[in-house]
Parts: sequence; C-alpha cells; structure tokens
Amino acid sequence: QSVLTQPPSVSAAAGQKVTISCSGGSSNIGKNYVSWYQQVPGTTPKLLIYDNDKRPSGIPDRFSGSKSGTSATLGISGLQTGDEADYYCGTWDSSLSAVAFGGGTKLTVL
Amino acid sequence: EVQLVQSGAEVKKPGESLKISCQAFGYSFTSFYISWVRQRPGKGLEWMGIIYPGDSNATYSPSFQGQVTISAGKSISTAYLQWSSLKASDTAIYYCARHTYCGPSNCGSFDSWGQGTLVTVSS
Repeated sequence: QSVLTQPPSVSAAAGQKVTISCSGGSSNIGKNYVSWYQQVPGTTPKLLIYDNDKRPSGIPDRFSGSKSGTSATLGISGLQTGDEADYYCGTWDSSLSAVAFGGGTKLTVL
Repeated sequence: EVQLVQSGAEVKKPGESLKISCQAFGYSFTSFYISWVRQRPGKGLEWMGIIYPGDSNATYSPSFQGQVTISAGKSISTAYLQWSSLKASDTAIYYCARHTYCGPSNCGSFDSWGQGTLVTVSS
C-alpha cells in the first residue's frame, strides 16, 4: 500500500490533454514539495516535474504540475504516443522521515 | 554531466550475499545524498534508504531496516547496497538516485538516476 494514491491508469486520445492525480496527507504532500517521474517501459525513471511545478531543462512545457493542499496533479497536453509510460508522484514524508511514492499511473494514448 | 553508473546484473541463489554499486561522475560525490529504490517486476517504485556520502550516515525505510546495508566509498565516489542473505522476494531492479537537496527536515526530488541493476534470486 503506497503512502500516496494515484489512479492505476488513465487514457486519452493523441493531441488531447490528460491529468493524473496524486493524493496524500498533511505529513507529506501537505508539507513538502512534490515531484513527478516518467518511466517508459524498460527504461529508468526520469524527472519530469520538481518542487510542485518546475520543469527540468529539456522537459517540454506540455508537462505541468500543480499542488493544492494534500493533493498534486500532473498535466500532459498535446498527447503523443511517446508519452505512453508509467508516471509516479513522489515527495518527502516528514512523519516517516522517508521518501514516499505513489503507486504509479499507466498512461495510454489512444 | 552528472551520471550514476551501476554495476551489472546479478543472478544469485537464496541465502547468498551480494553487494551492488553505483558510481558517481560529474559532480562532488560527497555533497549530495543518494537513495536506493527497488522496483519489483511489474510493480512500482519503493524507497529503501538514503546515504550522505560526506559522512556515510545512512537511514533506512522501516520496510528495509535490517534487510540491507547501504554504504559509500568516498575515495571512489561509489555508493553500495548489500544483502547478507538473499531471498527470492529480493528479485527486482535496484536503482540509485541522487537527491537535488536534503535539508534538516526533508529531501528534494531525484534529478539523476542510475541505469538500474537487475538482481535475480532463484534456486
């Protein structure tokens, strides 16, 4: 059972926008920054969003992040087939003194 | 360029010991915390523990406390994850990852990941 809750799967048509939610609590998302990672099957996770809404160099602005209270959201617009991957949210849990991950969301581009 | 280069795949029998490595390039190894993350086949990411290479102080997830040992060798910019007695349930890909920062009360995101080490434990 993951500390952070994500939907197991989402899907949308190519060119459309999709959002992926990540729900936590006051000791994790409510208190610390959220990051998002993309893992294309068979590859290493890659940082997409850090500090709730910042994109590392090289990540297109089709990817966006936001946080409100104890929940965070990843948005992906202009969906491409190459966006098919598993997406994980992560943050620090101050009560556990540990990194917390969501269970992951599989994105299918129709 | 920051790089974390992990050791190669391992096939072990239950009860055997193992130590895998993660060598850092392109930055000051002793200035950034490194975590280890497990990914079982077809499953999600699980945080195992963290080490500050500057003083080799390691902290573990309760789920992994006593099951593994995390260490670091400053002179060769390498972090390690080791088991004294492997189980079949340890079969997974293990990633090392660098934190952007760690402060007194929290740590930031992972901005660089190793390529992963597949550990297969089977009789």
